[in-house]
Amino acid sequence: AQSVTQLDSHVSVSEGTPVLLRCNYSSSYSPSLFWYVQHPNKGLQLLLKYTSAATLVKGINGFEAEFKKSETSFHLTKPSAHMSDAAEYFCVVSANQAGTALIFGKGTTLSVSS
Amino acid sequence: EAQVTQNPRYLITVTGKKLTVTCSQNMNHEYMSWYRQDPGLGLRQIYYSMNVEVTDKGDVPEGYKVSRKEKRNFPLILESPSPNQTSLYFCASSGGGPLRDTQYFGPGTRLTVL
Repeated sequence: AQSVTQLDSHVSVSEGTPVLLRCNYSSSYSPSLFWYVQHPNKGLQLLLKYTSAATLVKGINGFEAEFKKSETSFHLTKPSAHMSDAAEYFCVVSANQAGTALIFGKGTTLSVSS
Repeated sequence: EAQVTQNPRYLITVTGKKLTVTCSQNMNHEYMSWYRQDPGLGLRQIYYSMNVEVTDKGDVPEGYKVSRKEKRNFPLILESPSPNQTSLYFCASSGGGPLRDTQYFGPGTRLTVL
């Protein structure tokens, strides 16, 4: 069965410092993995998607994620945090090979201080 | 602009009073889905639709109905709402084939059932 675990419920960084949001997954097949972002009182926006074409995936707003099969991880990183990055981030795995459902992690709230 | 729209965005109602939340997409997507978001639980799928007149249950379908009479619309119906259905609801859509799991989300509908 597919599952995803976000290892931190809350991460705090200072503006200009690196961001690391951790995600581990479990999958019985080669999965599709995603990161979505939700700003306060907003909908969900797709940051990036992994589909096995390349292990390092670049997304929008300077974010990227690296797929590590040996560690079953898909951590999200950004070299330098910006105040506008403060939001909730969800690591997501495709629930089945038909692509009919997504399984969401419980979310990581990123706070950015000046 | 390509988008998924939901109406209403906010709704306060009373137990037992039937309501419908509409969802519409303008991307000619085959696949549509409803999720609910609750604190600490992430998003959970309620129902999904692979195409017109084809719907299926997700993880938490109890108390909900859906219909897919047109490709662009996928309304969520609560025939007799209860307080445990107080939640934030998201509609999503995606294309067919390998793009099915890349879902685009609406802005959300915040429902309160008193």
